[in-house]
Amino acid sequence: DQQVKQNSPSLSVQEGRISILNCDYTNSMFDYFLWYKKYPAEGPTFLISISSIKDKNEDGRFTVFLNKSAKHLSLHIVPSQPGDSAVYFCAASANLGGTSYGKLTFGQGTILTVHP
Amino acid sequence: NAGVTQTPKFQVLKTGQSMTLQCAQDMNHNSMYWYRQDPGMGLRLIYYSASEGTTDKGEVPNGYNVSRLNKREFSLRLESAAPSQTSVYFCASSVVELGPSAQYFGPGTRLLVL
Repeated sequence: DQQVKQNSPSLSVQEGRISILNCDYTNSMFDYFLWYKKYPAEGPTFLISISSIKDKNEDGRFTVFLNKSAKHLSLHIVPSQPGDSAVYFCAASANLGGTSYGKLTFGQGTILTVHP
Repeated sequence: NAGVTQTPKFQVLKTGQSMTLQCAQDMNHNSMYWYRQDPGMGLRLIYYSASEGTTDKGEVPNGYNVSRLNKREFSLRLESAAPSQTSVYFCASSVVELGPSAQYFGPGTRLLVL
């Protein structure tokens, strides 16, 4: 059972426009969410996170939105740049006591291509 | 700072062979993790160590063992490799033991089991 889903395998965007990557989750215990970017043959790089007490978090060109009632989060990249072309993963964790926050559940990833 | 380093970068094994994947971090992080990434499945947690001296199973622990050698190092061992263990393995670390925090990943080890 896939608890974190990224239903769009790929997304193509023109340079300078907005990229919107989406992620849905089913486990209502998730309360911390992260986005990672991954280039080929490299490890994932942390981008931005959000706690469930917030509905928006912004860092430069990257903004993450959380809609708890819909169990949906999205990552907005504005403006998009060719260097943003990569695979983007969303991940989630739950506070179940002890060290449970360490257990990240990842989505399948979305390949973003930004065309010059 | 090198961050999280992994050795080897690439390895080919025959079915039944054993090997140990090494991971080290220089960020003084308490927690360390091992993941595997397979096509179309994202990353899945194999084992993690919340602090030195402790280890715990993740989502897919079967066929693997781990050792938290000290605060810096966390190794993953395949005792008898199987073709199903062909994957890319990532090690990660994070600073906070109990609360939410970002995990920082190494460059990965590509393992092919024939």
